Amino acid sequence: EAGVAQSPRYKIIEKRQSVAFWCNPISGHATLYWYQQILGQGPKLLIQFQNNGVVDDSQLPKDRFSAERLKGVDSTLKIQPAKLEDSAVYLCASSLDGMRAGQETQYFGPGTRLLVL
Amino acid sequence: EDQVTQSPEALRLQEGESSSLNCSYTVSGLRGLFWYRQDPGKGPEFLFTLYSAGEEKEKERLKATLTKKESFLHITAPKPEDSATYLCAVEGGSYIPTFGRGTSLIVHP
Repeated sequence: EAGVAQSPRYKIIEKRQSVAFWCNPISGHATLYWYQQILGQGPKLLIQFQNNGVVDDSQLPKDRFSAERLKGVDSTLKIQPAKLEDSAVYLCASSLDGMRAGQETQYFGPGTRLLVL
Repeated sequence: EDQVTQSPEALRLQEGESSSLNCSYTVSGLRGLFWYRQDPGKGPEFLFTLYSAGEEKEKERLKATLTKKESFLHITAPKPEDSATYLCAVEGGSYIPTFGRGTSLIVHP
């Protein structure tokens, strides 16, 4: 079974530029998560989708970050404009069904490493 | 607000020296507590899910236990390949996962 795919793996941009990350979850997984992981810290949830609807985006800086999951499959996370403090690893994860007991285990992709100069 | 605190932040062991990692949590209506392993430059890898106090799960040299306030990840006779950061996460009634900062484990040969 193929795992969670993410691209690009690395990205270097200058502040105030825009950047987009792509995630393709495990086939059949209804729930998709985007996390931000700053060096030395645990992952911080940015947004959680159930199919193509948003479950939670309370920690997404909506003035600069946006995310969508069209057709309930793959997803894109965008930052515009980027700030220095956005330098981090952006992780995508999926679960069979985060809203059902016993099906909420998350499987992570390799992440996208973003450096903002 | 759900909270997860992991200790110690870093742990150095000699090969074969058993130890335990701690995950203390507060959550409203625990739905699950999760342990992950993260190697440098990679995404977290799922290890265990625990659902209720008293539950235990084992995998090779790892054993996870759960009480109403904390979880332990016991590592028996560790090997250098067990070196990684171990992350704990909880999910409660909000359906929103909350991660701890992790414990960085180094096992010396």
